[in-house]
Amino acid sequence: GAVVSQHPSRVICKSGTSVKIECRSLDFQATTMFWYRQFPKQSLMLMATSNEGSKATYEQGVEKDKFLINHASLTLSTLTVTSAHPEDSSFYICSAQTPGLAGDEQFFGPGTRLTVL
Amino acid sequence: GQNIDQPTEMTATEGAIVQINCTYQTSGFNGLFWYQQHAGEAPTFLSYNVLDGLEEKGRFSSFLSRSKGYSYLLLKELQMKDSASYLCAASFKAAGNKLTFGGGTRVLVKP
Repeated sequence: GAVVSQHPSRVICKSGTSVKIECRSLDFQATTMFWYRQFPKQSLMLMATSNEGSKATYEQGVEKDKFLINHASLTLSTLTVTSAHPEDSSFYICSAQTPGLAGDEQFFGPGTRLTVL
Repeated sequence: GQNIDQPTEMTATEGAIVQINCTYQTSGFNGLFWYQQHAGEAPTFLSYNVLDGLEEKGRFSSFLSRSKGYSYLLLKELQMKDSASYLCAASFKAAGNKLTFGGGTRVLVKP
């Protein structure tokens, strides 16, 4: 149980285009989803916290107009990287959490490798 | 702040034991997670400690001392497949349900 999927797993796009990444909790309802970014050989950096039906809370230094997050249902959150640039190339990972399911544990998706040319 | 500190890299021999230490600031501390992450993959859950003491799960054990702000992950009978990054992550009351991750420890297991 507690499976989280991400789509796509890998995307290559041209500079200036927008890319949408989907995060789904497959067998549970996630009240909260988190979006992380990870650069090579570095740890996970939290970008934003997304609660179903409300606006996402962004971490300091993360541009909310560039990284659009929508959490329209209890099983789906999307991250859209708008006007992507090469410096946005990274590994983007989502996680899902719900009260009563293993405490504060976050269940991670498999990640999306974004390469911006 | 809520700095989570762990060593950057460790090397060990197949069959040996390795202990990865993690320190955190105790103020507002709630619980501590350990995750394993292979290169290019998402983190996978290893353990969660809330109470002081040692939790054993097969070859992996995790220890927590709340008063000292200290945890360790113990990997026994190392196998080549254990080569990965090990992430220490803490939850703090003031941060709600967010996790704060350490920089990760890359463990290299050699034959």
